[in-house]
Amino acid sequence: AQSVTQLGSHVSVSEGALVLLRCNYSSSVPPYLFWYVQYPNQGLQLLLKYTTGATLVKGINGFEAEFKKSETSFHLTKPSAHMSDAAEYFCAVSDTNAGKSTFGDGTTLTVKP
Amino acid sequence: DTEVTQTPKHLVMGMTNKKSLKCEQHMGHRAMYWYKQKAKKPPELMFVYSYEKLSINESVPSRFSPECPNSSLLNLHLHALQPEDSALYLCASSNRGSGTHNEQFFGPGTRLTVL
Repeated sequence: AQSVTQLGSHVSVSEGALVLLRCNYSSSVPPYLFWYVQYPNQGLQLLLKYTTGATLVKGINGFEAEFKKSETSFHLTKPSAHMSDAAEYFCAVSDTNAGKSTFGDGTTLTVKP
Repeated sequence: DTEVTQTPKHLVMGMTNKKSLKCEQHMGHRAMYWYKQKAKKPPELMFVYSYEKLSINESVPSRFSPECPNSSLLNLHLHALQPEDSALYLCASSNRGSGTHNEQFFGPGTRLTVL
């Protein structure tokens, strides 16, 4: 069984500040981990993914995430927030055997001018 | 073409109506998904088709009926819905098979309102 916990349903940062969105997972098998972003009234867009290999993963729009097995974490960061980063962010863990992903509850990112 | 398209964008229907949602992808993906998403909530998996066969039904009420006519198309037939079924319905696809990691590509969704 898999699960994802996103710590903090709402995160607010100032423009130019560091963005840190937290994700912890539970998986009985080596996990495949994803971060998706959802803008209002749109579908989900993949930001980045971890499968195997390098634990620091770079994605689109300047985001990156680090897989830490010992901490069962996959936190999302961006050095400098832009107004356009305001959105809903979902962390997900995939079970390729079952053919489905489990999503966290989401974190709403607000960027203040 | 890395796009998943969904029609219609918006749909308003009464509880006695029959309507269908459509989803299409031309990425050669062999797995397609229907999700229901309520406001400020994560997507809830409804159905998964793998190689045009229904592989997962997450105990969805029978008033929702999925159909996969071919590897590019996915439909969701709606009948006798309830107001609580109002939500954003998302379609997604992924490239199944060993080592494909189940990365999903999402469509923009259909905003459904049941009166």
